[in-house]
Amino acid sequence: KAGVTQTPRYLIKTRGQQVTLSCSPISGHRSVSWYQQTPGQGLQFLFEYFSETQRNKGNFPGRFSGRQFSNSRSEMNVSTLELGDSALYLCASSLVRQGDINEQFFGPGTRLTVL
Amino acid sequence: GQQVMQIPQYQHVQEGEDFTTYCNSSTTLSNIQWYKQRPGGHPVFLIQLVKSGEVKKQKRLTFQFGEAKKNSSLHITATQTTDVGTYFCAGGFKTIFGAGTRLFVKA
Repeated sequence: KAGVTQTPRYLIKTRGQQVTLSCSPISGHRSVSWYQQTPGQGLQFLFEYFSETQRNKGNFPGRFSGRQFSNSRSEMNVSTLELGDSALYLCASSLVRQGDINEQFFGPGTRLTVL
Repeated sequence: GQQVMQIPQYQHVQEGEDFTTYCNSSTTLSNIQWYKQRPGGHPVFLIQLVKSGEVKKQKRLTFQFGEAKKNSSLHITATQTTDVGTYFCAGGFKTIFGAGTRLFVKA
């Protein structure tokens, strides 16, 4: 079974631009979560989507948005990029069955550098 | 809001020594998960604990969930160089991650 894939793997943008990151979950997984990882802040939860609906949202400004498609693929968008947005963006998918272990499977991440 | 604190931030051990990382939540958790991230890699799920006082073992790794379901620990017996990485705990409805404990093992 293929793992979680994220594209692109690396991205360089300049301040003020916007960026869209893509995540394809493991086949059959309906939940997709996004995290921002930086050396200083660790893993910060951005949002979770389940069946095309945002279920949870972390404490990030409105410049960070996302969506999920009917095939469970998800995109994350960051508008008006700031230098502090430079980070590794990780996507994780899970099966989410009631009473089951909700193991999250992480993708390799997209390394975003904002200049 | 809910916070998950993890200590220590770093730990240097000699190969063969034991290692423990602790996780504390500001609120009761329905479950807690542990992940390991190797340098340059992505987090990999290790285990999930759901019951108060639960203890689970995976070879040299022992995981505990506190009686009040607000704290957890991961203990590695006789560390090996392959144990190097950052260990994260995560819990709560929004899967809040602790800051992680980075383990360095000297051969």
